[in-house]
Formats: sequence, C-alpha cells, structure tokens
Amino acid sequence: AQTVTQSQPEMSVQEAETVTLSCTYDTSENNYYLFWYKQPPSRQMILVIRQEAYKQQNATENRFSVNFQKAAKSFSLKISDSQLGDTAMYFCAFAALDSNYQLIWGAGTKLIIKP
Amino acid sequence: DAGVIQSPRHEVTEMGQEVTLRCKPISGHDYLFWYRQTMMRGLELLIYFNNNVPIDDSGMPEDRFSAKMPNASFSTLKIQPSEPRDSAVYFCASSLIGGLKEAQYFGPGTRLLVL
Repeated sequence: AQTVTQSQPEMSVQEAETVTLSCTYDTSENNYYLFWYKQPPSRQMILVIRQEAYKQQNATENRFSVNFQKAAKSFSLKISDSQLGDTAMYFCAFAALDSNYQLIWGAGTKLIIKP
Repeated sequence: DAGVIQSPRHEVTEMGQEVTLRCKPISGHDYLFWYRQTMMRGLELLIYFNNNVPIDDSGMPEDRFSAKMPNASFSTLKIQPSEPRDSAVYFCASSLIGGLKEAQYFGPGTRLLVL
C-alpha cells in the first residue's frame, strides 16, 4: 500500500526566514507524481507545486521549491523568504500513474509565519 | 477563469434531512472529483467522474451518498438522510484530461454541519 508521511504536525518561523517541510512516501511504483497543496484558513486547497518522478530536476515555483530524492522517497518543500500569507496547512500528496487519479494524502503540516 | 465553484459555502441542517452540494468545474476540464475532509480521517476521495461518467465511487461511504454529473459544467453530491457524522468540509476538484499531469484544482469547499 502506498503511504505518505508528514512527520511535522506544526512548524513556526519568523517572517522572511526559510522553512523546509518534510514529506516521505512509500511505494513500489516507478512512475508517479508528487504534489504540495496549501490550505489557508479559508479552507480552499491550492496547488503549490508538482513534481513528476521521472524528472530529476527539482520543481520550482517562485519562492517554493522542492528537494526530490527518489531513492530515499523524500519530497520536501522549501519556502524561501516566508511571508505572513504563507501561514496555512500544507499537504503532501502522491499519485501513481495508474492509480485512477487517486491522490494519497499526508496528514498535513501546520505552518505559522510569525511577524 | 473563475476556478471551481461550489455552493453552498456553508450548510447547517438537521439529522435526517437531505443535503445537496453543488459544483461547477473549470471549463474544459474532463475530470471532476469529490472529496471529504475531516480532522479524524483527513482528505478522502469519494468519487470521480471522467467526461460526466462516474469512474470510481469506491470511496462513497454509504448508500446515503450519491453523486451525479448531468453535464460537463455541473455536478451534485447528495446525502439522504444526513447524519451528524457526515459533518465535514466537502471539496470538489477538477482537472484536464491526463489529470495527474495537470494536477487537480480545488473549489473553496462546502462546510457541512449536521446537527
């Protein structure tokens, strides 16, 4: 069975600092996708970044980047120059290519950015 | 684009009543997903549609839950009769053909409280 683990239930950093959220997953699949979603207090789920397993290059979206270590099955999210608006729950998700589009979700990490 | 639209945003009802949640996916998206989020169980996929056809409803908890997609721009999730344990945030999400490659875009969610 595929699982996604986020080992940090909650993190707190000062504004402008860099923070890294960890995510590990377990799968025997070779072709899959990994995602980070953000859920602010408004409860809407927002796609932050996506990584295809066959791509070695780490995905980057502005201040957000990932460190994808396929062999270690690790997919951490780095937020640079953190902003107050980054305060949210962050969910890591996995989906195998032949999974019928079923995303496997981590439990989430609550990130608080302090002014 | 307006994104995925869900209505109502909040619903409070009494046990035994019928509840209907509505979703309008992003225009042009071929896949539509219904999720339920609770503190205890996290984010669960209930059902998803491809080109208006239900593909996988294995996540639907009971016969009290039903979902329809009469056309490409509208879907409903119905709970009849509702129970207090159905209280949750229900998300609708949509994606383009080749869903995983394009990720899923979530609506703002419907917060349901069954008293």
